[in-house]
Amino acid sequence: DGGITQSPKYLFRKEGQNVTLSCEQNLNHDAMYWYRQDPGQGLRLIYYSQIVNDFQKGDIAEGYSVSREKKESFPLTVTSAQKNPTAFYLCASSSRDGEQFFGPGTRLTVL
Amino acid sequence: AQSVAQPEDQVNVAEGNPLTVKCTYSVSGNPYLFWYVQYPNRGLQFLLKYITGDNLVKGSYGFEAEFNKSQTSFHLKKPSALVSDSALYFCAVRDIYQAGTALIFGKGTTLSVSS
Repeated sequence: DGGITQSPKYLFRKEGQNVTLSCEQNLNHDAMYWYRQDPGQGLRLIYYSQIVNDFQKGDIAEGYSVSREKKESFPLTVTSAQKNPTAFYLCASSSRDGEQFFGPGTRLTVL
Repeated sequence: AQSVAQPEDQVNVAEGNPLTVKCTYSVSGNPYLFWYVQYPNRGLQFLLKYITGDNLVKGSYGFEAEFNKSQTSFHLKKPSALVSDSALYFCAVRDIYQAGTALIFGKGTTLSVSS
């Protein structure tokens, strides 16, 4: 998982709460990504950012928000509008050829 | 539209036997292709990639993959499976000209190696 850290490893949320997942990288990569993983569905793209202060919606952006104020950091907020947020969340950054480097993940559970 | 298909949800092999995990792709241009492995409750680990050049790509832990342009396939192989190879494997693709865009991942194939 080298070079990318995610925190916390486990997160519990009550219904109606917003929570923020942290992602930091020291690989000097411009591009960063957030994926959601559910059993049997592979990885689905939430948001991605190709450069600081810019980001694009992925396939399942509804109920999520991001910011990219620094090259090293790409936090993801899961808002109360996300109706089924229980999942494993993976952050990644990529080199120029597209090879992605993944963090260890955050498992979010709604209580 | 870009897509990746992993036709098998699960592959079962005996230790010492060869293994193959299948992947087919669809991109509008030339593909960059990747294989990743995931162990339980962990992030994805890079195994190997194809960008250009030799169609047979060698990667980590004795894995290799063969790029077949005519069949649009990129199957992952290993001559002799180990129990420790048991994990979830993902194939991924992106168009060579879509720099900075996200990879498209298949749904994953669970490899189970029995002793």
